[in-house]
Amino acid sequence: DTGVSQDPRHKITKRGQNVTFRCDPISEHNRLYWYRQTLGQGPEFLTYFQNEAQLEKSRLLSDRFSAERPKGSFSTLEIQRTEQGDSAMYLCASSERTVYEQYFGPGTRLTVT
Amino acid sequence: GNSVTQMEGPVTLSEEAFLTINCTYTATGYPSLFWYVQYPGEGLQLLLKATKADDKGSNKGFEATYRKETTSFHLEKGSVQVSDSAVYFCALSVNTGNQFYFGTGTSLTVIP
Repeated sequence: DTGVSQDPRHKITKRGQNVTFRCDPISEHNRLYWYRQTLGQGPEFLTYFQNEAQLEKSRLLSDRFSAERPKGSFSTLEIQRTEQGDSAMYLCASSERTVYEQYFGPGTRLTVT
Repeated sequence: GNSVTQMEGPVTLSEEAFLTINCTYTATGYPSLFWYVQYPGEGLQLLLKATKADDKGSNKGFEATYRKETTSFHLEKGSVQVSDSAVYFCALSVNTGNQFYFGTGTSLTVIP
C-alpha cells in the first residue's frame, strides 16, 4: 500500500512533555500538509511544505508547534510543553504539485493528561 | 478572510431518499472547492472537486456545482444508500493550494 502513513497512531503524554509525530507521504507527492482536528470539527490547517520548503506556517497554533521536512520526503510535527488543550487528532495529507486534491493519512490521536 | 459554512447535522434519511448538504464559502481570491468524506473508522477521502465557476464535480452518484454568484457548493445525491452513511466535509483551497479550509462536517446516517 502506498498511501499516506502516520506514526504513532495514538500517543498519550503528560502535560509539559514534548511529543513528535511522523508522516510519510505518498512517494511521488511533493506537497505535504499538517492539520489538527478536534471532536465535531473539521480539519484545521496548520502548515504546508513543498518539497523541503515550509511555504506556509502562519497557521501553526503557537510557537510550541514546529514542523520539519528535511529531505523533502517524510515530515515531523513537534509539540513542546504539551497542554491539555493540545489533545486532538493530528492529520497529515499529501498532494502532487499541480493538483490540489489531498490524500490523508489515518491520523495520530494525541491525549494529554 | 477564508471560511466554509456547512449545514449542521446530523442528517438522517431513509434509503433511496434525496440528499442535499448545503455549503457556502467566503474566499479572498478564486478558490477551488472540494467535498471530502469520512466513513466510520476511516480517514478522509476526496469525494469530488471543482476548480472554476459553473464546474460540476461528480463521483459515486454525488454531484456539486461551483456557484460563484451564490458562493455555494451544495452536495447532492438522488438516491442515498446505507453505505453512504459518513461525515461529509466541504473545503476550499486558495493560493494555488497553499492553504485549505474545511467546514465543520455534516454527519449523514441512512437507514434501511
